[in-house]
Amino acid sequence: EDQVTQSPEALRLQEGESSSLNCSYTVSGLRGLFWYRQDPGKGPEFLFTLYSAGEEKEKERLKATLTKKESFLHITAPKPEDSATYLCAVQFSGGYQKVTFGTGTKLQVIP
Amino acid sequence: EAGVTQFPSHSVIEKGQTVTLRCDPISGHDNLYWYRRVMGKEIKFLLHFVKESKQDESGMPNNRFLAERTGGTYSTLKVQPAELEDSGVYFCASSQDGRLGGYTFGSGTRLTVV
Repeated sequence: EDQVTQSPEALRLQEGESSSLNCSYTVSGLRGLFWYRQDPGKGPEFLFTLYSAGEEKEKERLKATLTKKESFLHITAPKPEDSATYLCAVQFSGGYQKVTFGTGTKLQVIP
Repeated sequence: EAGVTQFPSHSVIEKGQTVTLRCDPISGHDNLYWYRRVMGKEIKFLLHFVKESKQDESGMPNNRFLAERTGGTYSTLKVQPAELEDSGVYFCASSQDGRLGGYTFGSGTRLTVV
């Protein structure tokens, strides 16, 4: 069964303290891996798509990387406005367009 | 452009009643998806429309759930009769060209069945 596991469940950082979030997956043929950000009371907001091992994407203080078994979301010098839940999702071959989500990492950045 | 709109934002109903959730996708988006998050669990896929046709409904939990998409525009998700375990947040998302995972989500409908 396809699974997506995110760690840690929660992360508290001081402003400017860089860190990484992990997303590991077991799928029978990865078609794509996606990162979303979700704020309280809102729907997930799309950040990145990664398709193959070795691929990297960047946006402001966020950088996503992908290996054959996991993805990392690196947050460099975070600010309080980066506080949110970060969700990882995967799409596998043969699954049409549906994606499987992880449970997310709740990030809190303290000023 | 206007985003994905869902309503109501909250709904509290009694067990056994019927509830209808509505989703208005971004204009021109052929692909429309329903997902839900039950308390403490991950967001899970329910179904996918391409225009007015159901492309994939493998995530629909049982026959108490009925989704429709009139004329390929807005979509409704009806739960009849509602059970306690149906409580959760129901998200709708849309995409223009089915790009993998690059959906635009609505803010969701929080459904509470008491």
